Amino acid sequence: NAGVTQTPKFRILKIGQSMTLQCTQDMNHNYMYWYRQDPGMGLKLIYYSVGAGITDKGEVPNGYNVSRSTTEDFPLRLELAAPSQTSVYFCASSYGGGPQHFGDGTRLSIL
Amino acid sequence: AQSVTQLGSHVSVSEGALVLLRCNYSSSVPPYLFWYVQYPNQGLQLLLKYTSAATLVKGINGFEAEFKKSETSFHLTKPSAHMSDAAEYFCAVLKSSGDKLTFGTGTRLAVRP
Repeated sequence: NAGVTQTPKFRILKIGQSMTLQCTQDMNHNYMYWYRQDPGMGLKLIYYSVGAGITDKGEVPNGYNVSRSTTEDFPLRLELAAPSQTSVYFCASSYGGGPQHFGDGTRLSIL
Repeated sequence: AQSVTQLGSHVSVSEGALVLLRCNYSSSVPPYLFWYVQYPNQGLQLLLKYTSAATLVKGINGFEAEFKKSETSFHLTKPSAHMSDAAEYFCAVLKSSGDKLTFGTGTRLAVRP
C-alpha cells in the first residue's frame, strides 16, 4: 500500500516554463488536496477536490490549474512558472473531511 | 473564519525533558483539531486528533494533547523528549467534516543531547 505518491521529487524550471506535478493515491479517498509550503508560513491550500470531476480553489490558486479525471489522480499544472512559485508542494488525500495523508513532496525551484 | 496560532516557531529542549508545543484556535463552534509531525524531507504525518470524544487525546510516539475549551487551546506534550522527536510540528483545525484544514505556521522542535 503506497499511500500518496508524488512525482517528481525535485525539479528545476526556468521562468516561463510549464510543468505538471503528479499525485496519485491508492486508498480510494474521495478528497484530494494540493498545498505549498514556504519557510515559516505553514501550508497554504492551492486547490482541492471532493471527487472525480470536481475541483475548487483554495487559498492561493493563482498561477496553478488542476484536474481530477479519476479518483486516484490529481495533477497540478504550472503554466508559466514564476520565481514566486519556488516552494515545496504537497499532495494529500482523505476520506471526507477526515485526517489527511500526505505525500513526500515535490521540491520545485524556478530560476 | 477559523484560525490556529502556534506560539513559538522554534522550541529547544534537552533529551529527557518535557516537550510542550502550544496551539490556540479560534472557532465559533467546537472544532476538530489535529497535530501533524514533519520530519526532514518528508510529508506530514498525523500524530493525533481531537474529535470531541475525550478531551485528553493520546497519539503516536508518546505524544498527547489536551483540548481546553475555556482556553481555546490544544497544546501538545510529551513527558520525555527523545532525539528522534526533532522535527517540525503543525497544529491544524477543521470546523466540520466537510470543511478544509487550516494549518498553523509550525513549530520546529530541537532536542539537545
